[in-house]
Amino acid sequence: QQPVQSPQAVILREGEDAVINCSSSKALYSVHWYRQKHGEAPVFLMILLKGGEQKGHEKISASFNEKKQQSSLYLTASQLSYSGTYFCGTERAGGYQKVTFGIGTKLQVIP
Amino acid sequence: GAVVSQHPSRVICKSGTSVKIECRSLDFQATTMFWYRQFPKQSLMLMATSNEGSKATYEQGVEKDKFLINHASLTLSTLTVTSAHPEDSSFYICSARDQGVGYTFGSGTRLTVV
Repeated sequence: QQPVQSPQAVILREGEDAVINCSSSKALYSVHWYRQKHGEAPVFLMILLKGGEQKGHEKISASFNEKKQQSSLYLTASQLSYSGTYFCGTERAGGYQKVTFGIGTKLQVIP
Repeated sequence: GAVVSQHPSRVICKSGTSVKIECRSLDFQATTMFWYRQFPKQSLMLMATSNEGSKATYEQGVEKDKFLINHASLTLSTLTVTSAHPEDSSFYICSARDQGVGYTFGSGTRLTVV
């Protein structure tokens, strides 16, 4: 079952912050976050495993609330290079490594 | 880091012909690879799970006779689109996972059937 992502699109000015949310109705083993630039393949950002952890990657971090089956991606002090479509991918317990992707959040950072 | 190589990056074929797409894990072994299809401005839709040495597992609604998957070695999986039609035109992407980290995607293949 496809996770629900929000918002679907967001426009930021350089330096502003954004939060992208991802939720599932099923018990999750892990949540993945990827960024895809137009015409390119998705690039892995980070994975959060069951356990409610928070991880960081430069000025991009994420959290995973295992009880609520929700994850949020935090982009701080956004840069032009952050523009792209962000996908969360969820892996269910016993899902044989199969990841189901959300619809994506199109992020545009403008000068 | 893990690298997945996918070829070709673009292919144009005539309706009714078959197209083979290769996906290789370059610096790790992948007993499992995944094939996705992505239509413009849409999400990645899992088509099938490719298992080394055994039959692929297809998602509901994906025709296994049309999308033939072969995973003959620990580093190579192929997807063959048989008797391609214009509606098969899409962006096909493979992915694999190296030791519990996130998935590494191939660069994708843009298929256009004319």
